[in-house]
Amino acid sequence: GDSVTQMEGPVTLSEEAFLTINCTYTATGYPSLFWYVQYPGEGLQLLLKATKADDKGSNKGFEATYRKETTSFHLEKGSVQVSDSAVYFCALLLGAGNNRKLIWGLGTSLAVNP
Amino acid sequence: DADVTQTPRNRITKTGKRIMLECSQTKGHDRMYWYRQDPGLGLRLIYYSFDVKDINKGEISDGYSVSRQAQAKFSLSLESAIPNQTALYFCATSDLRGPGELFFGEGSRLTVL
Repeated sequence: GDSVTQMEGPVTLSEEAFLTINCTYTATGYPSLFWYVQYPGEGLQLLLKATKADDKGSNKGFEATYRKETTSFHLEKGSVQVSDSAVYFCALLLGAGNNRKLIWGLGTSLAVNP
Repeated sequence: DADVTQTPRNRITKTGKRIMLECSQTKGHDRMYWYRQDPGLGLRLIYYSFDVKDINKGEISDGYSVSRQAQAKFSLSLESAIPNQTALYFCATSDLRGPGELFFGEGSRLTVL
């Protein structure tokens, strides 16, 4: 069935380190892909998205490229900050009209130390 | 003020009690959702509503009910709370293109003793 797999956390990095959080998916059709971020004590918010193959989503220094050949949407940031400490969720959107369905990964916790 | 507001933010209750979590939004969105978040289990959809007259079960609706009182209001009820309903609950909204881009409330943490 359709699913999203994220790398398990927690991920712990020092400030200014390079970040990669892996996300792969299994889906029929052509999903749209999303990264959401949940800061401590807050709800989730959309970080970036890509709607078709080879699209690159970017926001706040984060990037992810929709790779159809490897069914992946890995999240990257060149230099993380303490303020990036959060839980990151990968998700895919399938279907059309009122039958659209959002499938979530389990989330990856990131802690950035000064 | 937040676009999606949940009340209460925290609630401790006892097994068997009836609990209502409320959600209101000022985004003007037709679509509203209730999710549950548990450590290690990610987000799971409880109920969703595409408009006032359209309510649908999600993947884990057993033990829950909802009411869409108006376009802007969507409440979640636990008729008889049990300890395994202890979780963080989120309300979210989307426009007609949803549910891809969701707007979340800050969450309601429920503890059932």
